[in-house]
Amino acid sequence: DAGVIQSPRHEVTEMGQEVTLRCKPISGHDYLFWYRQTMMRGLELLIYFNNNVPIDDSGMPEDRFSAKMPNASFSTLKIQPSEPRDSAVYFCASSPSPGGGFSTDTQYFGPGTRLTVL
Amino acid sequence: QKEVEQNSGPLSVPEGAIASLNCTYSDRVSQSFFWYRQYSGKSPELIMSIYSNGDKEDGRFTAQLNKASQYVSLLIRDSQPSDSATYLCAVNSPSGAGSYQLTFGKGTKLSVIP
Repeated sequence: DAGVIQSPRHEVTEMGQEVTLRCKPISGHDYLFWYRQTMMRGLELLIYFNNNVPIDDSGMPEDRFSAKMPNASFSTLKIQPSEPRDSAVYFCASSPSPGGGFSTDTQYFGPGTRLTVL
Repeated sequence: QKEVEQNSGPLSVPEGAIASLNCTYSDRVSQSFFWYRQYSGKSPELIMSIYSNGDKEDGRFTAQLNKASQYVSLLIRDSQPSDSATYLCAVNSPSGAGSYQLTFGKGTKLSVIP
């Protein structure tokens, strides 16, 4: 089975440019999560979707960040304009359910996108 | 603010020894507990999940959960150099209005010395 797919794997851009990260979740998983990982802050949840609808975006750092899920097999995370402090690894994860103490709430991670903003 | 605390390490153990990794969490209503392994430059990979108090064993790995003490641990028996990685503890809790949040610790770096 194909796992979570992310693209691009690496992105280098200049401050002020728009950046779009892409994710394809595991087929059949109704929940999709976007995380950011830095050395200082660790792994942080940015936003998650259920059946293409955003459920919790409280982790989105500011209005420069936006996320969409137009269908069950595709999501984007956009940063506009990008800043050097956005440099991090961005992970997408998916699961059959979001929680509740069941084995179906295990999240599976994609390979990540390493973003460098100069 | 949900918190998950881990000793950052590095934790060094000789090959063949038992590695013990610990984690505490702040939210008493947490329901699901996970250990992920992350190699440098790679994504987190699920090692163990545990949902009820006690021990859960899978091969060389044993997860232990004590909800009263808000404590979860991971034991790795017969440690191998290939186990050298950062281990992330993650705790899933309700966050209101039917939503949930998976909160990660910052990880413990394990080094297994041949």
